Amino acid sequence: DAGVTQSPTHLIKTRGQQVTLRCSPKSGHDTVSWYQQALGQGPQFIFQYYEEEERQRGNFPDRFSGHQFPNYSSELNVNALLLGDSALYLCASSYGTGIDTQYFGPGTRLTVL
Amino acid sequence: GQQLNQSPQSMFIQEGEDVSMNCTSSSIFNTWLWYKQDPGEGPVLLIALYKAGELTSNGRLTAQFGITRKDSFLNISASIPSDVGIYFCAGLNRDDKIIFGKGTRLHILP
Repeated sequence: DAGVTQSPTHLIKTRGQQVTLRCSPKSGHDTVSWYQQALGQGPQFIFQYYEEEERQRGNFPDRFSGHQFPNYSSELNVNALLLGDSALYLCASSYGTGIDTQYFGPGTRLTVL
Repeated sequence: GQQLNQSPQSMFIQEGEDVSMNCTSSSIFNTWLWYKQDPGEGPVLLIALYKAGELTSNGRLTAQFGITRKDSFLNISASIPSDVGIYFCAGLNRDDKIIFGKGTRLHILP
């Protein structure tokens, strides 16, 4: 049984570019949450998707957007990249919207130059 | 915004020692969670606490939900090499949003 998978593993972009990160939830899970983890910091909640809708959102600008597909997989899009967007982006999945039951993927390391 | 203050920031201990770390806030949280993150991996949930005063164990780990609802503690007994990693506390606030601390880095001296 595969856990949460994320792609790509690493990514390098330049300022102003756009990026798309992908997440496949653990089998049987229908909810996906995205987090940004800067170096030396704890994860920060970006948003949560359930039933293909954004259910909850943290304090992130509109440059951060997402999507959930009918098979429950999800994408995180970031437009107009800034140097400060460099971070590990974590995806977590759960059955239902309970944050306390989520499983995290290994993350995508984004570097913005 | 709401913040969780985790301490200590890092710990250097001998194998076999007990470990204590805590998380405090000026805000009330309805749920406290403790995670461990190893290099190159996402956080893994260790213990979840749902009621003020609750004390929960998971093997050698014990965590408590503070009675003021503003703090939580994690203890690890008889540490072993695989306990090395970063431990995060997280709280769910009244809006059901999750806030993470900055982590406690645990190092075990040979």
